[in-house]
Amino acid sequence: DAKTTQPPSMDCAEGRAANLPCNHSTISGNEYVYWYRQIHSQGPQYIIHGLKNNETNEMASLIITEDRKSSTLILPHATLRDTAVYYCIVRAALQSGGSNYKLTFGKGTLLTVNP
Amino acid sequence: GEEVAQTPKHLVRGEGQKAKLYCAPIKGHSYVFWYQQVLKNEFKFLISFQNENVFDETGMPKERFSAKCLPNSPCSLEIQATKLEDSAVYFCASSPRRGDRTRYGYTFGSGTRLTVV
Repeated sequence: DAKTTQPPSMDCAEGRAANLPCNHSTISGNEYVYWYRQIHSQGPQYIIHGLKNNETNEMASLIITEDRKSSTLILPHATLRDTAVYYCIVRAALQSGGSNYKLTFGKGTLLTVNP
Repeated sequence: GEEVAQTPKHLVRGEGQKAKLYCAPIKGHSYVFWYQQVLKNEFKFLISFQNENVFDETGMPKERFSAKCLPNSPCSLEIQATKLEDSAVYFCASSPRRGDRTRYGYTFGSGTRLTVV
């Protein structure tokens, strides 16, 4: 079962920041937070991941709370092409063993970017 | 190349027929994963490989489904005697070898849409 809770849908105006929340209150010490998105019916696309520090790359920023029970994905300037289902996933490190080293998808958040 | 190649893009099978799906992982990636997406948003993990060895098969249906990753060949997912409920998009993903710290994200292919009629 997915270990994360996300709102089913969100709207954002084009050019504004999109802030997508995720709760993962049962996360354990060796588990990473990953974000993926699926545009239309394409394959999921990796966005960003983190363990406990905030992370930023060319696509987005990831803010993880100090207790690691929740996180927020930030798309700083959303465009129409960012309309997609966004998945927040908690995944153990590879060293924790085979059955834990996989992505378990929940239902995600449908982000709709409006013109 | 830097993409996971899945073939065919679309596959139509009559109930009871066999279906075989292929996945070529990114060169140098050691891990391969298969997922089934039946309904929008609902992904089900099927099986993973570390090179040619099964790594985790906890999601694999016990009957009719099998998978292989052989050296110098695309990985394959085979469904014997397909049923209507097997209709889904099947995604394959690959991931770098253990200890690679340059990137931990999986790269997914564009999927194979299987329709069983």
